Amino acid sequence: DQQVKQNSPSLSVQEGRISILNCDYTNSMFDYFLWYKKYPAEGPTFLISISSIKDKNEDGRFTVFLNKSAKHLSLHIVPSQPGDSAVYFCAASASAGANSKLTFGKGITLSVRP
Amino acid sequence: DTEVTQTPKHLVMGMTNKKSLKCEQHMGHRAMYWYKQKAKKPPELMFVYSYEKLSINESVPSRFSPECPNSSLLNLHLHALQPEDSALYLCASSFGQGAHQPQHFGDGTRLSIL
Repeated sequence: DQQVKQNSPSLSVQEGRISILNCDYTNSMFDYFLWYKKYPAEGPTFLISISSIKDKNEDGRFTVFLNKSAKHLSLHIVPSQPGDSAVYFCAASASAGANSKLTFGKGITLSVRP
Repeated sequence: DTEVTQTPKHLVMGMTNKKSLKCEQHMGHRAMYWYKQKAKKPPELMFVYSYEKLSINESVPSRFSPECPNSSLLNLHLHALQPEDSALYLCASSFGQGAHQPQHFGDGTRLSIL
């Protein structure tokens, strides 16, 4: 039973355009969400996060939007660059307690065409 | 350039062998994690150590034995593994254990069981 879903396995965009990566979740207890980027042969790298008390968080070219009622979040990358080509994982957690843990989605492969 | 170092990068072992995976971080993080990742799947949590004590074991078979000798080191001892245990094993660390603390991942050990 997948609690974090990234239904599109891949996305291809033109350099300079916006990339929008989507993520849905089913567990209403999730209150913190993170995006990780992973290049081949490397471990995941933390990108950006958002708490459920917010609906938007921005860091440079990266913005994460959270729609709690729809249990949906999205990562916007603008402008997209070829170096952004990677696998992007959405992750979620319930509570900030000592036993909280991350649940990951399957990932989306982003390809940015020059 | 990862701040979490995992060795070896690749490991091939037979089902009767005993081997260990090692993970090291010098960021002063007090929580360390082992994940298993199969191809085209998200990382799955195996163990969490907090302040050098095991705090989460996700019902991992006893053929995997974690050890945290000190706050900078995390080992995963392997014995009598099965072919289905072939996967990428990722180590991560965070400042504290709460999932609101972004985790920093190593590049992983690619394990193949013959």
